[in-house]
Amino acid sequence: EEQLVESGGGLTQPGGSLRLSCATFGFTFTTYDMTWVRQARGKGLEWVSGIRAGGESTFYTDSAKGRFTISRDNSKNILYLQMNSLRPEDSAVYYCVRGLRIPDSWGQGTLVTVSS
Amino acid sequence: DVVMTQSPLSLPVTLGQPASISCRSSQGLVYDDGNTFLNWFQQRPGQSPRRLMYMVSKRDSGVPDRFSGSGSGTDFTLKISRVEAEDVGVYYCMQGTHFPFTFGPGTRVEIK
Repeated sequence: EEQLVESGGGLTQPGGSLRLSCATFGFTFTTYDMTWVRQARGKGLEWVSGIRAGGESTFYTDSAKGRFTISRDNSKNILYLQMNSLRPEDSAVYYCVRGLRIPDSWGQGTLVTVSS
Repeated sequence: DVVMTQSPLSLPVTLGQPASISCRSSQGLVYDDGNTFLNWFQQRPGQSPRRLMYMVSKRDSGVPDRFSGSGSGTDFTLKISRVEAEDVGVYYCMQGTHFPFTFGPGTRVEIK
């Protein structure tokens, strides 16, 4: 059974940076596109970013463009999200999700809090 | 960006009764390859989301057959034929056709 385990969340000040990681197990990571989705406390789901299986193409929501970078290490089966210039409105649980157009398996999420 | 709307946003249902959630997109969701990438997710309290349906009407493994999806173009529907207690949660539609992908605001299903 596939597993996705996020880490790297925490508390940071506005303007700060964090790098989220998603370690994957139980499936052939190199053959799957991947996605990051976030959910602010008490709010709905927001699609953030996606990446093709080979890493050749990346996609972002408007609020993430220029500040977030999605990447992957196919030798380690790990997905990343580098987040710079963080704002209070970026505070959310960030989920790693397998797939892109038809995402299926979700991790448990990692909490990011941006506050002074 | 494609805007996804859902109605109702709150849905109180009696156990054993049917429920229906509507999802509408601001643009058609047919992709260049002819597929329609409209997915439905269920998020139970305190849990990560779980996919129920993909490509409009394909039910995921392990999802009870009381769940069904339908629709085309810009109008889609998730139906629960007989609501059970375990169906309580928030349901989201999501389009995977036009980047950036987008979710609907969610419909909260509760038991009356």
